[in-house]
Amino acid sequence: EVQLLESGGGLVQPGGSLRLSCAASGFTFSNYAMSWVRQAPGKGLEWVSAISPDGVNTYYTDSVKGRFTISRDNSKVTLYLQMNSLRAEDTAVYYCAREYCSSTYCHRYFDYWGQGSLVTVSS
Amino acid sequence: DIQMTQSPSSLSASVGDRVTITCRASQSISNYLNWYQQKPGKAPKLLIYSASSLHGGVPSRFSGSGSGTDFTLTISSLQPGDFATYHCQQTYNSLWTFGHGTKVEIK
Repeated sequence: EVQLLESGGGLVQPGGSLRLSCAASGFTFSNYAMSWVRQAPGKGLEWVSAISPDGVNTYYTDSVKGRFTISRDNSKVTLYLQMNSLRAEDTAVYYCAREYCSSTYCHRYFDYWGQGSLVTVSS
Repeated sequence: DIQMTQSPSSLSASVGDRVTITCRASQSISNYLNWYQQKPGKAPKLLIYSASSLHGGVPSRFSGSGSGTDFTLTISSLQPGDFATYHCQQTYNSLWTFGHGTKVEIK
């Protein structure tokens, strides 16, 4: 059974840092691209960042470029999101999501999601 | 960035109704359009990928259509478990974006 388990969320002051983790199980983690998607309270979904299966290629939405860093450790089957210079508008539930990848390419949709980790940026 | 406009933002419907939700892209995205269902306090679940392909295990009352800039999600006969928020997502380029969601409520 595929499982994604986020951790590391919490309350942080504006300007602070936080690192989210997403522990994967039930599939060959190194074969799949992964993303972070967030949802502010009462709002829609916002794709934040993605990383290729080998970790070489990374992508970010404009609002987090230069502040957030996505990474992965395939030996530890874990995805990370390092968040620096946090702002009130970063307050959200952060989901990790698996992009379905076959043996030949990644198909550009999320077939599994974690349960989410709440990040609150407030003084 | 490619903007996704979903409509309506909410709707009220009864069990058995046919429901249609639309999603419009600010530029052509071919068929790189996915639909997710989300219930309160839960993670989204994939319904439709590549505009019209039904994800495994999703009931056949859900269907998707469209290409280019205009897309629709149709629920042919609304069931009690379908009351939720529906999100479209474009994955045409390397910067993916979602619509703002459509909340389907009980009439």
